[in-house]
Amino acid sequence: DGGITQSPKYLFRKEGQNVTLSCEQNLNHDAMYWYRQDPGQGLRLIYYSQIVNDFQKGDIAEGYSVSREKKESFPLTVTSAQKNPTAFYLCASSTGHGAEQYFGPGTRLTVT
Amino acid sequence: DQQVKQNSPSLSVQEGRISILNCDYTNSMFDYFLWYKKYPAEGPTFLISISSIKDKNEDGRFTVFLNKSAKHLSLHIVPSQPGDSAVYFCAATNPMNYGGSQGNLIFGKGTKLSVKP
Repeated sequence: DGGITQSPKYLFRKEGQNVTLSCEQNLNHDAMYWYRQDPGQGLRLIYYSQIVNDFQKGDIAEGYSVSREKKESFPLTVTSAQKNPTAFYLCASSTGHGAEQYFGPGTRLTVT
Repeated sequence: DQQVKQNSPSLSVQEGRISILNCDYTNSMFDYFLWYKKYPAEGPTFLISISSIKDKNEDGRFTVFLNKSAKHLSLHIVPSQPGDSAVYFCAATNPMNYGGSQGNLIFGKGTKLSVKP
């Protein structure tokens, strides 16, 4: 079955700790994306990657970092510099820029 | 500045009736529009899309209408079912904007639809 997986579903961390969220896809998609969703805010783009070994900042990249060493994987690190890290994080992929994006199930990160 | 606006945060409809969800955009360069449906604690799922060369696209109970001159699109669900209760996101993009941020999907804030039995 092709799809996008995100793990874990729920993640808890103490303030000041970096945490890495996993995103894997087996759809052979070139482009991958990270969004966060907050109540009443919709989906806001954190980072995106159109091709392996390349990525671009989205609208709210501060306090986050990514890597794209493999086509299938696009992990997101939430660093201690992110002021409000508690949110629902969504990973997506698409065949290319401007095409439909397919989303993973999301990771709910809670930082206390 | 919001480029894609969904001005109604919520909508309540009786089962069997029509649901109409609205979306406005400000960027005239957008030429491809999508609707996504999202249940709580899940990722959005793609529902239907429309290219700017069309003014209507239909898929079963779902129809999207595009009015380019008004920069407005709407999603009609007929007949509405309780399982349609979810948050609906409108998104817009310009697929020809290679490498530019307009090639990304720009999402509205969503409208929560409640379909009552």
